[in-house]
Amino acid sequence: QSALTQPASVSGSPGQSITISCTGTSSDVGGYNYVSWYRQQPGKAPKLMIYDVSNRPSGVSDRFSGAKSGNTASLTISGLQTEDEGDYYCSSLTRTSTLVFGGGTKLTVL
Amino acid sequence: QVQLVQSGAEVKKPGASVKVSCKTSGYTFTDYYMHWVRQAPGQGLEYMGRINPNDGDTNYAQKFWGRVTMTRDTSISSVYMELSSLRSDDTAVYYCARVWATWSTDALAQWGQGTLVTVSS
Repeated sequence: QSALTQPASVSGSPGQSITISCTGTSSDVGGYNYVSWYRQQPGKAPKLMIYDVSNRPSGVSDRFSGAKSGNTASLTISGLQTEDEGDYYCSSLTRTSTLVFGGGTKLTVL
Repeated sequence: QVQLVQSGAEVKKPGASVKVSCKTSGYTFTDYYMHWVRQAPGQGLEYMGRINPNDGDTNYAQKFWGRVTMTRDTSISSVYMELSSLRSDDTAVYYCARVWATWSTDALAQWGQGTLVTVSS
């Protein structure tokens, strides 16, 4: 199972919006509405930000939103804040009922 | 509240095995799938597999077939991940992670603190 494809880095200024893409195949992202997004800050465990493509867990800001089209999922963060910095990972359920992660995207808030 | 507490750091020689534990509390242990994810130094997240604590059913990522075993002990609400035939590239932080809801199999909402496993001769 190959890793999902994410851009290595994205950046934005405070208040702006950014979008991170996550491209897979019909055997994972395209085949299921089970895409999740995680944020990991240095030295910490990942934190779930989005599940089932577009749902936010309790306590996650509504500035975070998710979507999917075909084999590509996306995470949009609006109204960027410095606290949003970190590494973002997507994951998807696969046809073998395992998960696969993306390679990760480093978000820098300039 | 929900807690996942992992065992401490390990140093192993190539060819050895390691068993990492994840003790849970604050919820009904058998109601939620548990997954294992690892992260090599400076690298991304890598999925290893999952266990259903209710019946012990497992599903491993193909990369780890034959080398990984996930088990559980319902009497003490703990899950275990054993990795054998260790190589230097198995050096990583290993995380247990619980799904967010009883009906979920994939979204990982609760994470252990991580266990560093170092493989070195």
